[in-house]
Amino acid sequence: KAGVTQTPRYLIKTRGQQVTLSCSPISGHRSVSWYQQTPGQGLQFLFEYFSETQRNKGNFPGRFSGRQFSNSRSEMNVSTLELGDSALYLCASSSTFIANTGELFFGEGSRLTVL
Amino acid sequence: GQQLNQSPQSMFIQEGEDVSMNCTSSSIFNTWLWYKQDPGEGPVLLIALYKAGELTSNGRLTAQFGITRKDSFLNISASIPSDVGIYFCAGSSGRSSNTGKLIFGQGTTLQVKP
Repeated sequence: KAGVTQTPRYLIKTRGQQVTLSCSPISGHRSVSWYQQTPGQGLQFLFEYFSETQRNKGNFPGRFSGRQFSNSRSEMNVSTLELGDSALYLCASSSTFIANTGELFFGEGSRLTVL
Repeated sequence: GQQLNQSPQSMFIQEGEDVSMNCTSSSIFNTWLWYKQDPGEGPVLLIALYKAGELTSNGRLTAQFGITRKDSFLNISASIPSDVGIYFCAGSSGRSSNTGKLIFGQGTTLQVKP
């Protein structure tokens, strides 16, 4: 069973630019969540998508957005990049059975550096 | 917002020693989980706990869900070099409407000296 695939793995942008990150979940998983990981703040929940709908959102500004497609693949976008957006962005997929709540399967992440 | 306090922040131990780390919260969680992250990779689930008081083992790992639902601990017995990494606790409300939303602790960095 293929794992969660994130692209690109590494990217460098400059302040003010925008970036789009992609995530392909495990086959059959319909929930996709995004997390930001930084040395200072740790792992912070960004948002969760299920059936093409955002059903949870963390405390991030509106510059952070995402979407999910009918095949459960997801993208997240960050507009008007700031230096503080430099981070590892992790995507995780999960089944939606309540018995498996919290059992997330993470990708390797997309490391974004903003200069 | 909800926060998890995880301790210790780091540990440097000798191979073969036992390790213990814990997590406390100001809020109740219905699910506690422990993840491990190796360099350059995403976190991997080690143990999931779903009932207060539950004690669960996975090989040399043992974790418990505190009876107050505000804490959890993870023990690693007879540590080996491949145990090196960052261990995270995480809490979930356990509702079907937010299966992907976790609150993570700050992590415990474990180093093992052969």
